[in-house]
Amino acid sequence: GAVVSQHPSWVICKSGTSVKIECRSLDFQATTMFWYRQFPKQSLMLMATSNEGSKATYEQGVEKDKFLINHASLTLSTLTVTSAHPEDSSFYICSASVPGVSNEQFFGPGTRLTVL
Amino acid sequence: AQSVTQLDSQVPVFEEAPVELRCNYSSSVSVYLFWYVQYPNQGLQLLLKYLSGSTLVESINGFEAEFNKSQTSFHLRKPSVHISDTAEYFCAVSEWAAGNKLTFGGGTRVLVKP
Repeated sequence: GAVVSQHPSWVICKSGTSVKIECRSLDFQATTMFWYRQFPKQSLMLMATSNEGSKATYEQGVEKDKFLINHASLTLSTLTVTSAHPEDSSFYICSASVPGVSNEQFFGPGTRLTVL
Repeated sequence: AQSVTQLDSQVPVFEEAPVELRCNYSSSVSVYLFWYVQYPNQGLQLLLKYLSGSTLVESINGFEAEFNKSQTSFHLRKPSVHISDTAEYFCAVSEWAAGNKLTFGGGTRVLVKP
């Protein structure tokens, strides 16, 4: 149980285009989803917390207009990288928390974004 | 604010030897503690967690970690590693009152040599 998927697993795009990444909880309803960014050989940095039906809460230094997050249902959250640039190239990982399970998060497999 | 420090960025170890990955945290309130493992180009998998109760927690694949409140530590150990244990290991902490927000340490890369 508690499986989280991400789509796509990797994407290559041209500079200036927008890319959407989906995060789905497959066998449970997630009231809260998280989006992380991970640079090579580094730890995960929380970008934002996404709650179903409300606006996402962004961490300090994360551009809200650059990284659009939509949590439209209890099983789906999307991250759109708008007007992507090479510096946005990274590994993006989402996670979902299970209501009532003490602060545990279940992670998706990640999406590798490369902006040319 | 909470913070997590993993003292070793890399740990080379020979197969069948023991390994210890150190994790210290800083928080002014009670916390939940986690160890996650990440294989190349994959997401994170939960290895084990401490929520309450016994300070020694174990995973199904031979890892164990001990919560030491006085030293604010949650070190991870395995008495005998396998080649397949080569991965990145992350310690994470979540404050009881902070919802499900996790703060991660910098990670420790374990390289198991034959």
